[in-house]
Amino acid sequence: DAGVIQSPRHEVTEMGQEVTLRCKPISGHDYLFWYRQTMMRGLELLIYFNNNVPIDDSGMPEDRFSAKMPNASFSTLKIQPSEPRDSAVYFCASRHSGRAYEQFFGPGTRLTVL
Amino acid sequence: AQSVTQLDSQVPVFEEAPVELRCNYSSSVSVYLFWYVQYPNQGLQLLLKYLSGSTLVKGINGFEAEFNKSQTSFHLRKPSVHISDTAEYFCAVSDEGSGNTGKLIFGQGTTLQVKP
Repeated sequence: DAGVIQSPRHEVTEMGQEVTLRCKPISGHDYLFWYRQTMMRGLELLIYFNNNVPIDDSGMPEDRFSAKMPNASFSTLKIQPSEPRDSAVYFCASRHSGRAYEQFFGPGTRLTVL
Repeated sequence: AQSVTQLDSQVPVFEEAPVELRCNYSSSVSVYLFWYVQYPNQGLQLLLKYLSGSTLVKGINGFEAEFNKSQTSFHLRKPSVHISDTAEYFCAVSDEGSGNTGKLIFGQGTTLQVKP
């Protein structure tokens, strides 16, 4: 199994630009989570999906952030417009409802907004 | 609301020495507890988890943790560390009230620095 795949691994952009982060969960997993990691705030849950449906987006910081899951094998996290304070490592994780609570994390996308 | 506190931000230790990384949680309901490890430039990997049963949980790479309900703690231990254990360690909690979502609340992390 290839594990959770995220792309790109690194993204450098300028303030005001649109940024799209991508995630492919492990095949067969029915939950998908998006996290953000910063030195100041640690690891924060942004949003999670169950069977492609967003369940809880209370962690999404602002309207500039949006996430979609058009099918079971693909999700995107979009920031538009991006700001320097969005600089962070963004992780995607997935899990199967039959495996008690174990989330499998992707390698992360390191986003730098100049 | 749940919360997780990792009491040490950094723990320096010499190779082959024992180590304990401390974690306390706050929750009004029964909880499930986890330790994850993050190696440099990688995602998080599950070390071990407590769901029920024996309060002493063994995980990968020789780590173990003990669930103490009265002290609301879930400290991580290893009797002899290796250089390769240098990483960031995260304690996390999920409550039974979250149903089957497995939604996790993470602590701030502890950096374990193993010195030769």
